[in-house]
Amino acid sequence: QKEVEQNSGPLSVPEGAIASLNCTYSDRGSQSFFWYRQYSGKSPELIMFIYSNGDKEDGRFTAQLNKASQYVSLLIRDSQPSDSATYLCAVNMYGRGSTLGRLYFGRGTQLTVWP
Amino acid sequence: GAVVSQHPSRVICKSGTSVKIECRSLDFQATTMFWYRQFPKKSLMLMATSNEGSKATYEQGVEKDKFLINHASLTLSTLTVTSAHPEDSSFYICSARDTQGGDTQYFGPGTRLTVL
Repeated sequence: QKEVEQNSGPLSVPEGAIASLNCTYSDRGSQSFFWYRQYSGKSPELIMFIYSNGDKEDGRFTAQLNKASQYVSLLIRDSQPSDSATYLCAVNMYGRGSTLGRLYFGRGTQLTVWP
Repeated sequence: GAVVSQHPSRVICKSGTSVKIECRSLDFQATTMFWYRQFPKKSLMLMATSNEGSKATYEQGVEKDKFLINHASLTLSTLTVTSAHPEDSSFYICSARDTQGGDTQYFGPGTRLTVL
């Protein structure tokens, strides 16, 4: 079983639409959840982190966490062509004894926003 | 804040030579740094976890004698690819975990290594 899974892409949405990116994880002991954006040929950059159940909003981005369902998502409102990138979900799995801050990454979902 | 630099950004070397890559946290202290590699259109692969003042922890399948990691201070970790071969050509990315900031990892810009 893969530890962090993301919905298979690529995902394509028109400009101005809402893009929804999903992620599930296997370890119920996980406490920290992150979304990174990676443009082609570049390194990942942090978009948001979330620790508590519920929603967390930052500008056009909303992260949603449901620990009971082991599910975390990222919504991008008013999508722009500049949002076109690969989005990586990352989880710290404390339940696996990960005490060094190691993050487990999903394979990423490629998002394309077309004008 | 939370800036991580990497040097060099790009390096081309001949097969058999060694290449050192530096990773620095510029405005925070990082007890723990991580080294990843990424092949084109593939996901990040964690190579090792670097801890200040102690030996690095390598992931399964990563040769510790080939990929030497040193974390001599709270702001600097280095990765040396020894006796590089063309199959070592890849995008190497470091990240640093802010000692004061929980589990958040901040990534450096990456180093693209090409071994001829």
